Amino acid sequence: QSALTQPASVSGSPGQSITISCTGTSSDIGGYDYVSWYQHHPGKAPKLIIYEVSDRPSGVSTRFSGSKSGNTASLTISGLQDEDEADYYCSSYINSNTLYVVFGGGTKLTVL
Amino acid sequence: DVQLVESGGGLVKPGGSLRLSCATSGFLFDTYTMTWVRQAPGKGLEWVASINGGGSDIFYADSVRGRFTISRDNAEDSMYLQMQTLRVEDTAIYYCANDPYNNGWFHSWGQGVRVTVSS
Repeated sequence: QSALTQPASVSGSPGQSITISCTGTSSDIGGYDYVSWYQHHPGKAPKLIIYEVSDRPSGVSTRFSGSKSGNTASLTISGLQDEDEADYYCSSYINSNTLYVVFGGGTKLTVL
Repeated sequence: DVQLVESGGGLVKPGGSLRLSCATSGFLFDTYTMTWVRQAPGKGLEWVASINGGGSDIFYADSVRGRFTISRDNAEDSMYLQMQTLRVEDTAIYYCANDPYNNGWFHSWGQGVRVTVSS
């Protein structure tokens, strides 16, 4: 059960845009449009920000957007704000008789 | 409002057992797949186990299979995680989360409960 691959860290200045990649395989990201992204501030509950590759839950800023190409999904945050500084995790449904979901290793976003 | 509240965490010695609970309200519990996710100190999120609405489909991460048992009581809108033969590496904050369409994405999360396995 290998985790999805994310960069350990990314950074950007307020107002800029950043993109976080998430690479898997044809058994997870490449095989299904069930990729999700979570924002996690330390000490708080993770928050769903993108589901099914590119959909946003009600109340999530339009500055967050998702996409997928082949076995790689991406999260883009535009117009960076200080409160966007957090850890971000991708996740995917996985085609397996015994497994259900796999997470990425997480990406620390620093707003400079 | 949707609420998920975990309980049952604490300090336990290696080889010991612990039972976590997740009490829920504000959504049609018996139609949702429910999941446990954990975060070890300094590490990322790790999916632990999931159970579908009727309790007939259950999945475990390789790291806990054979030691942990996920279950649910739809009459009580609650989910459980029985953890046995605990190891130091099971030390983590454990979160429960709901999955509205059984597609492996988690809409609402609890605040988490801390489990520490140490001698």
